[in-house]
Amino acid sequence: DSGVTQTPKHLITATGQRVTLRCSPRSGDLSVYWYQQSLDQGLQFLIQYYNGEERAKGNILERFSAQQFPDLHSELNLSSLELGDSALYFCASSLSELRAYNEQFFGPGTRLTVL
Amino acid sequence: SQQGEEDPQALSIQEGENATMNCSYKTSINNLQWYRQNSGRGLVHLILIRSNEREKHSGRLRVTLDTSKKSSSLLITASRAADTASYFCATDKRVIIQGAQKLVFGQGTRLTINP
Repeated sequence: DSGVTQTPKHLITATGQRVTLRCSPRSGDLSVYWYQQSLDQGLQFLIQYYNGEERAKGNILERFSAQQFPDLHSELNLSSLELGDSALYFCASSLSELRAYNEQFFGPGTRLTVL
Repeated sequence: SQQGEEDPQALSIQEGENATMNCSYKTSINNLQWYRQNSGRGLVHLILIRSNEREKHSGRLRVTLDTSKKSSSLLITASRAADTASYFCATDKRVIIQGAQKLVFGQGTRLTINP
């Protein structure tokens, strides 16, 4: 158990809909990262937040957005869903930014299925 | 697109044998990390090697890094059935903003240990 929690575990929805994925980082971790894992694209970094502020951006679509709240939990919002958005979405967290490198601890993931 | 490419894509060996997986990447890095993923579950951090290190050990794991060839290898000695999983290398590219971390994952090697 990494200490990172994600809800829900599974989500089934229809095209065009909007969903929110939630992540609680490990206690004390200030950074939260979101990743998408699909069969064709592999594991792709989406976005990083540090202490409530966006810190790094990856291959995140404009239909997707994220935020980190004062209690450090984070939400990933996916809108106008398409079939191709079906994937495993992982959240990870790490310690403060003061280290030159940070081991990331991954949550169990949310499996999104768009029908 | 993926920065890292693992080789082989799949590896099947007998329990007790050693397993070697390779990773190549394209751009300069801060560090390289190896992660394990059991089927459909979250990633588990195995080991991190910094760009100024050439070899690192952790238990039955041995990682090498050759920055001149932009490649790394992960060796698992005396393999066990529980080592069956997918293994990913992830590179941490140099970024300008302090604290920003963009892990770029390879496509992974699927390792099967036969009893």
